[in-house]
Amino acid sequence: EAGVAQSPRYKIIEKRQSVAFWCNPISGHATLYWYQQILGQGPKLLIQFQNNGVVDDSQLPKDRFSAERLKGVDSTLKIQPAKLEDSAVYLCASSLGFRAEKLFFGSGTQLSVL
Amino acid sequence: AQKVTQAQTEISVVEKEDVTLDCVYETRDTTYYLFWYKQPPSGELVFLIRRNSFDEQNEISGRYSWNFQKSTSSFNFTITASQVVDSAVYFCALGSYNNNDMRFGAGTRLTVKP
Repeated sequence: EAGVAQSPRYKIIEKRQSVAFWCNPISGHATLYWYQQILGQGPKLLIQFQNNGVVDDSQLPKDRFSAERLKGVDSTLKIQPAKLEDSAVYLCASSLGFRAEKLFFGSGTQLSVL
Repeated sequence: AQKVTQAQTEISVVEKEDVTLDCVYETRDTTYYLFWYKQPPSGELVFLIRRNSFDEQNEISGRYSWNFQKSTSSFNFTITASQVVDSAVYFCALGSYNNNDMRFGAGTRLTVKP
């Protein structure tokens, strides 16, 4: 079974630039999550989709972050413009169901904002 | 509010020693789920276990065991006869049944030396 695919693996940008991350969840998984993991901290949920609808985006900084999940499959997360404090690993995860399910994580995208 | 505390930031042991990783949680929910994930150097979080709040039975899986005590709001993880491959960051997480507010602790970095 293919896992959660993410790209790129690494990204280095300057502040105020834009960046986009891509995620393809496990086939058949209805729920997709984007997490931000700052060095030395646990993952923090940014946004959760169930199929192609947003379930929770309460912790997404909407003035600069946006995400979409077209057709309920893969997803993109965008930051525009980036700030220094956005430097982190961005993890995508998926789960079969909705309620506190086992999550399958991708390898993440490590973003450095200079 | 949901909160997970992993007081041990880093633990270092010698191979074959037993080690316990502590996890204390706070929640007002009556139904909730507790998780442990392992994050090896590759970065991908790997699911280890999920327990619901009604099941306080301890669980053993090979060298891994988990001790869930509702009275002290703790869900501790023990590795018996540790191996170098156990070196990773381990995260405890708390999920709500009513939504998918999955909160991760800050993680414990375990180093097993040969």
